[in-house]
Amino acid sequence: DVKVTQSSRYLVKRTGEKVFLECVQDMDHENMFWYRQDPGLGLRLIYFSYDVKMKEKGDIPEGYSVSREKKERFSLILESASTNQTSMYLCASGIITTSSYEQYFGPGTRLTVT
Amino acid sequence: SQQGEEDPQALSIQEGENATMNCSYKTSINNLQWYRQNSGRGLVHLILIRSNEREKHSGRLRVTLDTSKKSSSLLITASRAADTASYFCALISSGSARQLTFGSGTQLTVLP
Repeated sequence: DVKVTQSSRYLVKRTGEKVFLECVQDMDHENMFWYRQDPGLGLRLIYFSYDVKMKEKGDIPEGYSVSREKKERFSLILESASTNQTSMYLCASGIITTSSYEQYFGPGTRLTVT
Repeated sequence: SQQGEEDPQALSIQEGENATMNCSYKTSINNLQWYRQNSGRGLVHLILIRSNEREKHSGRLRVTLDTSKKSSSLLITASRAADTASYFCALISSGSARQLTFGSGTQLTVLP
């Protein structure tokens, strides 16, 4: 079974703190994704990466950065956390072929910024 | 953005009944997927239907796609209490090979 793990299930941080959210997948997937999920807005893509050291902006990259130093690990960084970044953060990985494309999700990190 | 819109936002049915959820979108797609999310958990992929397919089955799930109406439906037959979850459609638009765009979801409650 594919396993995607996230470093924390719950996290509370103060405004202005630097926050690291870690995601690790064990299936050698090329593609990894960070989403945030908010009530009524569904999932919104923050950043994704299709290879080591490669990254692309999603729909809402402002206030975030990412790092992909190793294939299995994709980190989301909040340089200076703000209260409007309180959300559920979901990491996913996936492999894209001509016959299939699905994403495998981690359990999520619920971040509260006070 | 190319976001799917699910309908209804919430659905409550009795165990054993069928549940139907709909997804509409606005532009051309490569494929459309349905995901399920249990409360407080990550999403789980259920089924993928390609733009040249009209119907697909997987166990108690049936997905249809009507590209002329830009809509898809997910039918869960003989529902169980364990089917209680949020269901999301996700699109890969024709212009993007990698990016999934999710709708806001339908919350399904199956009452025992």
